[in-house]
Amino acid sequence: QVQLQESGPGLVKPSETLSLTCTVSGGSISSSYWSWIRQPPGKGLEWIGYISSSGYTNYIPSLESRVTISLDTSKNQFSLRLTSVTAADTAVYYCAKVQSNWAYYFDHWGQGTLVTVSS
Amino acid sequence: DIHMTQSPSTLPASVGDRVTISCRASQSIDNWLAWYQQKPGRAPKLLIYKASSLESGVPSSFSGSGSGTQFTLTISSLQPDDFATYYCQQYHRFPYSFGQGTKLEIK
Repeated sequence: QVQLQESGPGLVKPSETLSLTCTVSGGSISSSYWSWIRQPPGKGLEWIGYISSSGYTNYIPSLESRVTISLDTSKNQFSLRLTSVTAADTAVYYCAKVQSNWAYYFDHWGQGTLVTVSS
Repeated sequence: DIHMTQSPSTLPASVGDRVTISCRASQSIDNWLAWYQQKPGRAPKLLIYKASSLESGVPSSFSGSGSGTQFTLTISSLQPDDFATYYCQQYHRFPYSFGQGTKLEIK
C-alpha cells in the first residue's frame, strides 16, 4: 500500500519561497506520476501540477511562473517549490499519487500540511 | 479551461436517505471524471473513477453515472459515516480541475 507524507515549514514569510517534500513509502517513485494539490482554509481543492517518473512536469498556468516540482529518486521523494508567496498561498498542501499516465486522478493522498504565509 | 460546477453546495439529509449530487462540466469530458469524499481535517479519499467505476474498498452504496457534461454521485442509503464534503474532478483535459464541493450535512 503506497503511503505519502508531506513535510516542511508551516510558516513562510511573504515574498519568500515555500518548500515542501513528499516522502513515498510502499512503492517506487520511479513507477508513477505524482502531484501537488492545495486547499485554502474553508475552500475547495486546486491542482497545482504533476511530475512524471522521468521528471516531466506540467503546472497549472496561474502558478506556472512561480512553481517547480522535482523528483529525488534516491530518497523516494518529490518536492514542491513555490516562490514569491503571498497570503493567497496560505493553504493545506497535499501530495498525491496520480493513478497512471493516462488517468490523471489521485488514488493515494498524503495527510496534508498547513502552510501559512504571514510575517 | 474546463470549469466544473457542483450542485447543490449544501445538502441536508438524514440517515437512510438516498441522495444525489450533481456535477456539470463546461464542455464534454467523456467519462473522465472522479469523485472524492473529504472529512474535516482529512485528505480527500477516492470513491469513483471513470465516472462510474467504484474504487476498491468503497461501499457499494456509492455509485456514479453520467457522461459528456452531466454526472451524478448517488448514495443509496446514507450512513452516519457518509456525512462529508464531496468533490468531482475532471481529468479529460489539462489543467485538471475540481468542482467547488458539496457538503452533505445532517438534517
